[in-house]
Amino acid sequence: DGGITQSPKYLFRKEGQNVTLSCEQNLNHDAMYWYRQDPGQGLRLIYYSQIVNDFQKGDIAEGYSVSREKKESFPLTVTSAQKNPTAFYLCASSESGPSTDTQYFGPGTRLTVL
Amino acid sequence: GENVEQHPSTLSVQEGDSAVIKCTYSDSASNYFPWYKQELGKRPQLIIDIRSNVGEKKDQRIAVTLNKTAKHFSLHITETQPEDSAVYFCAASKWRASKIIFGSGTRLSIRP
Repeated sequence: DGGITQSPKYLFRKEGQNVTLSCEQNLNHDAMYWYRQDPGQGLRLIYYSQIVNDFQKGDIAEGYSVSREKKESFPLTVTSAQKNPTAFYLCASSESGPSTDTQYFGPGTRLTVL
Repeated sequence: GENVEQHPSTLSVQEGDSAVIKCTYSDSASNYFPWYKQELGKRPQLIIDIRSNVGEKKDQRIAVTLNKTAKHFSLHITETQPEDSAVYFCAASKWRASKIIFGSGTRLSIRP
């Protein structure tokens, strides 16, 4: 999992602003995922992508957007439409799909809305 | 829809004792079951996984068992140590699925 990086580690946002969280992997993995984790809670899937130029909504996609223009990159934008964005955001990747290969997580970005 | 239930939500054991965390899944087609450990403020990391063609897998002090008939799987940690304190997540997925379903997590505390 050392091949997945996320930046920044901490991010502060004012209400009404859009922010973009970066996720990069050099593992040559096809699939990438974004999860949200609230304090003391589990992992909730926001978006996932199994191949370049294609992505699907997860369980809590409202207020978020993604792109997958390159295999190694899967940025997440938290829009002003997301009413409660303060959380820990985790990016993950897997070689071909979760049913055959393990998901490896990045170090996370902690987003705080001021 | 697909669901993974995890119990207990919190677990406290004496150092040196064993800890057991249990999960049940709803989709009988699930065939891959990873377990992740997440220390405070850190990323989840895979500690062990099992596929549906085996019933048990061990890695030093950690073992996972799978009962396909009952649709449940368990994590066993023996001779617990302080560094085992963390949140543990179980998960399940199936062939050609596009995502993993995670359990809600178990916070394990090891008492000295």
